[in-house]
Amino acid sequence: EADIYQTPRYLVIGTGKKITLECSQTMGHDKMYWYQQDPGMELHLIHYSYGVNSTEKGDLSSESTVSRIRTEHFPLTLESARPSHTSQYLCASSDPKVPYGYTFGSGTRLTVV
Amino acid sequence: AQSVTQLGSHVSVSEGALVLLRCNYSSSVPPYLFWYVQYPNQGLQLLLKYTTGATLVKGINGFEAEFKKSETSFHLTKPSAHMSDAAEYFCAVSDSGSARQLTFGSGTQLTVLP
Repeated sequence: EADIYQTPRYLVIGTGKKITLECSQTMGHDKMYWYQQDPGMELHLIHYSYGVNSTEKGDLSSESTVSRIRTEHFPLTLESARPSHTSQYLCASSDPKVPYGYTFGSGTRLTVV
Repeated sequence: AQSVTQLGSHVSVSEGALVLLRCNYSSSVPPYLFWYVQYPNQGLQLLLKYTTGATLVKGINGFEAEFKKSETSFHLTKPSAHMSDAAEYFCAVSDSGSARQLTFGSGTQLTVLP
């Protein structure tokens, strides 16, 4: 049973629309992450957070933004979606008591047409 | 900076045969190494990890991996493939930052033939 939830599971949206991908975890983890995964490619870290009110950009430049107002919630927003944003977005969290113990959500597959 | 190279984007084995998925890493500090599995339409699930101690690590579903520092490798093996092992497998290495970020390889799609 998943302890980290991502919605929607699939999303097809038109160019120029604003979208928010939701990620919530019930484990009380401080650290949360967003990864972008193109088909057949590796995962790239685009955002991470140490805790409430902490957000940092990852290795891969992204036009998306994130917020961390509550420990359990780490949404990702695209103000104006473009076809180049088509990808799978994976959210994860980690437990400091479990060295490098990441838990991943099922992902959101985004298609921008 | 750390990096991971997975040799072979697609590997096919017969059911009951040995599974060998290759992973080589580059790291300027002693690495922590991971294997994740991703089934279709699902998130990543941790198979096993190496942090310190014994270099042969056993994971879930009968998989194991051996950390070989001299070869900078962390290959994943399973003695006998099962149809349910068909999935994509990702090798990853950690950085030393406090955010505990993972750097992933490009993945290997495992197909198990009946």
